[in-house]
Amino acid sequence: AQSVTQPDIHITVSEGASLELRCNYSYGATPYLFWYVQSPGQGLQLLLKYFSGDTLVQGIKGFEAEFKRSQSSFNLRKPSVHWSDAAEYFCAVGVYDDKLIFGTGTRLQVFP
Amino acid sequence: NAGVTQTPKFQVLKTGQSMTLQCAQDMNHEYMSWYRQDPGMGLRLIHYSVGAGITDQGEVPNGYNVSRSTTEDFPLRLLSAAPSQTSVYFCASRTTRNTEAFFGQGTRLTVV
Repeated sequence: AQSVTQPDIHITVSEGASLELRCNYSYGATPYLFWYVQSPGQGLQLLLKYFSGDTLVQGIKGFEAEFKRSQSSFNLRKPSVHWSDAAEYFCAVGVYDDKLIFGTGTRLQVFP
Repeated sequence: NAGVTQTPKFQVLKTGQSMTLQCAQDMNHEYMSWYRQDPGMGLRLIHYSVGAGITDQGEVPNGYNVSRSTTEDFPLRLLSAAPSQTSVYFCASRTTRNTEAFFGQGTRLTVV
């Protein structure tokens, strides 16, 4: 069955540092890929998505992600983290059977 | 623009009680889903629907029922609540399988 793995449960970075959140998926074909962000007590907001074409996609709030087919990965990056980026980040995979499957999330903590 | 509306926001149930979590969307989306969010487990798919009259099971369907009589509404029923169903529940909708999912603000359910 398809699955999504986010290996990092909790990441701490200093404000201004670069960030990379990892996401790996298990699926036979190229899935639809998404990154969502959840602030405390809130619902989920879409950061970016990949369907096809250019493997480097740009999203909101200065985030980008790169799809690497050979590694079955879709890692999220930001060159300079702001304190307001502290939140939980979810990678999600949309597959042929119409399900949207989420990873377990990575909690980002930002120190001043 | 309301988007996805979930009611109630908070609920406490006693073991064995039944209740319905409501979800309504005003975006004319065909796809709707219910997820539960538990610490360290991300969002797990309970049930989903790809159109009125069509529903299917997700990863954790036991103890939950759904129906989809209209495009707008997708209620989630707990027939006999158990403490293991204590969780935060999110409803989401999207146009098709390769489009962004929009989330409600969640329902925090406690079963005592």
